[in-house]
Amino acid sequence: SQKIEQNSEALNIQEGKTATLTCNYTNYSPAYLQWYRQDPGRGPVFLLLIRENEKEKRKERLKVTFDTTLKQSLFHITASQPADSATYLCALYNQAGTALIFGKGTTLSVSS
Amino acid sequence: NAGVTQTPKFQVLKTGQSMTLQCAQDMNHEYMSWYRQDPGMGLRLIHYSVGAGITDQGEVPNGYNVSRSTTEDFPLRLLSAAPSQTSVYFCASNIIVGGETQYFGPGTRLLVL
Repeated sequence: SQKIEQNSEALNIQEGKTATLTCNYTNYSPAYLQWYRQDPGRGPVFLLLIRENEKEKRKERLKVTFDTTLKQSLFHITASQPADSATYLCALYNQAGTALIFGKGTTLSVSS
Repeated sequence: NAGVTQTPKFQVLKTGQSMTLQCAQDMNHEYMSWYRQDPGMGLRLIHYSVGAGITDQGEVPNGYNVSRSTTEDFPLRLLSAAPSQTSVYFCASNIIVGGETQYFGPGTRLLVL
């Protein structure tokens, strides 16, 4: 079955620095991979999707890369702010395409 | 649009009680699903539905029932609550199965004593 690993449970950085979060997956290669943000006490919110034929995707201060050879996605937040503090989840579909599977998340804390 | 709504926000049950967690969406989405989220375990899929009248099991379906009589509603039933079902439950919807953006509700926090 598909497995997703987000290497760090927690990441602490200073305001203004770039945060880099890692997502690794095993078994089959998905057509696309998604990133979500979750704030305490709230449901996850979709941020970005990157397809297997896209090496990189950007949205404002967010950048996602997708390396299908390494089976890895990197999620970057540049010029980080305390408001970026949250848990970030990567997700992809199972091979049947019927279920969205999530990593356990990385909790980012940005200090001023 | 209200998006995905869930009720109640918080519930306390005694072991052996039954209850239904409600989920509704007003986006005319075909696909709906239920997850539970526990510390250290991440989001785990309980059941999902690809359309009205069609449901299937996810990773952790034991102890839960679902039905999908309308496109809008996807209730989750706990048949006989157990302390192991203490968790935060999220309902989600997507325009179609395999769709690109999943929308989540605000969650229901359940405590089983």
